[in-house]
Amino acid sequence: EAGVVQSPRYKIIEKKQPVAFWCNPISGHNTLYWYRQNLGQGPELLIRYENEEAVDDSQLPKDRFSAERLKGVDSTLKIQPAELGDSAVYLCASSLGRKGGETQYFGPGTRLLVL
Amino acid sequence: KQEVTQIPAALSVPEGENLVLNCSFTDSAIYNLQWFRQDPGKGLTSLLLIQSSQREQTSGRLNASLDKSSGRSTLYIAASQPGDSATYLCAAGGNDMRFGAGTRLTVKP
Repeated sequence: EAGVVQSPRYKIIEKKQPVAFWCNPISGHNTLYWYRQNLGQGPELLIRYENEEAVDDSQLPKDRFSAERLKGVDSTLKIQPAELGDSAVYLCASSLGRKGGETQYFGPGTRLLVL
Repeated sequence: KQEVTQIPAALSVPEGENLVLNCSFTDSAIYNLQWFRQDPGKGLTSLLLIQSSQREQTSGRLNASLDKSSGRSTLYIAASQPGDSATYLCAAGGNDMRFGAGTRLTVKP
């Protein structure tokens, strides 16, 4: 069974440019998460989807970040415009979505460098 | 807001040694606690998940314990091997998990 797929794996852009990350969760997983991981830190949740609905986006910087999960499957996270401080690894994870917290499966991440 | 702390930040041990990694969290009202492994440049791999009603979980050479009342969890690795070298992260909560910064483990041959 394929795991969580993310693309691109690496992205280098100049500040003020837009960038987008794509995630395909494990088939049948209703819950999808986007995390940001800074160097030497644990992941921090940006947004969580239950099917198509964003149920927790309290940590998403909404002035420059946006996300969507059309049809409750794939998801895209966008930054526009990017800032130097956005350099980090962006991780996507998915879980079955039964009520009550279960194992999250992570993709390999997209490593973003903003110059 | 849940705060998760992992001590030590880094650990180096000789092969074959048993070791314990520590995780503490400030809010005991958690749904579960998970331990993950992260290899350099890779995503996270789930190792063990302990539900709030459980005290421990075991998988092979790994054993994780949970003490909600004291806000602590430990990950015990028996007979460590060089292949165990990685960063180990704990996360407390449920759907809204909060991660620690991790313990970077090096097992020397």
